Amino acid sequence: ILNVEQSPQSLHVQEGDSTNFTCSFPSSNFYALHWYRWETAKSPEALFVMTLNGDEKKKGRISATLNTKEGYSYLYIKGSQPEDSATYLCAPNSGGSNYKLTFGKGTLLTVNP
Amino acid sequence: DAGVIQSPRHEVTEMGQEVTLRCKPISGHNSLFWYRQTMMRGLELLIYFNNNVPIDDSGMPEDRFSAKMPNASFSTLKIQPSEPRDSAVYFCASTVGQGAGYEQYFGPGTRLTVT
Repeated sequence: ILNVEQSPQSLHVQEGDSTNFTCSFPSSNFYALHWYRWETAKSPEALFVMTLNGDEKKKGRISATLNTKEGYSYLYIKGSQPEDSATYLCAPNSGGSNYKLTFGKGTLLTVNP
Repeated sequence: DAGVIQSPRHEVTEMGQEVTLRCKPISGHNSLFWYRQTMMRGLELLIYFNNNVPIDDSGMPEDRFSAKMPNASFSTLKIQPSEPRDSAVYFCASTVGQGAGYEQYFGPGTRLTVT
């Protein structure tokens, strides 16, 4: 079982603020890292799947970077909006024949208007 | 596409009863995952299938839990007998392709309450 740490556990920001949070995972046997956005009363939705060290992906105001050598990924949200309020989950995979994702506990983001 | 379909959306049952949760993956997806969400443990994988074959069931908590995938468009997760500690939201997810390089699509979940 992979040890996945996400920080902070929760975050409150004002509309328009930019923010970021961290996902830490074991750097050995890394294959892929997933980021998911989970709104209350809904189901998780994929944001990014990243596999390469140094990879950077962007979707609108949200972007993510990946460092597989040191075992971390950052998620950035530029100009936060109230609709960005959600729990953001990361999930690494150690590859091979195993498709298993180990989800972190998530960062709960609340954007105040 | 309708996305991943789960039924029922809510299930309330008494301790000792059998519970069956159902999932229809997205057409064309060949991997299916069952997850359980609790406050204590977060989102944890119970079992996953690839091409209808169970690959890893190490997350299934105990023998009371079983899962089947008789064909590419249907899977069940059964709990017999159910216990109050089984109360949780159970998600089904599917993905195309093989390996973890593909995003997973989650269903709406089944909220199970065992009294």
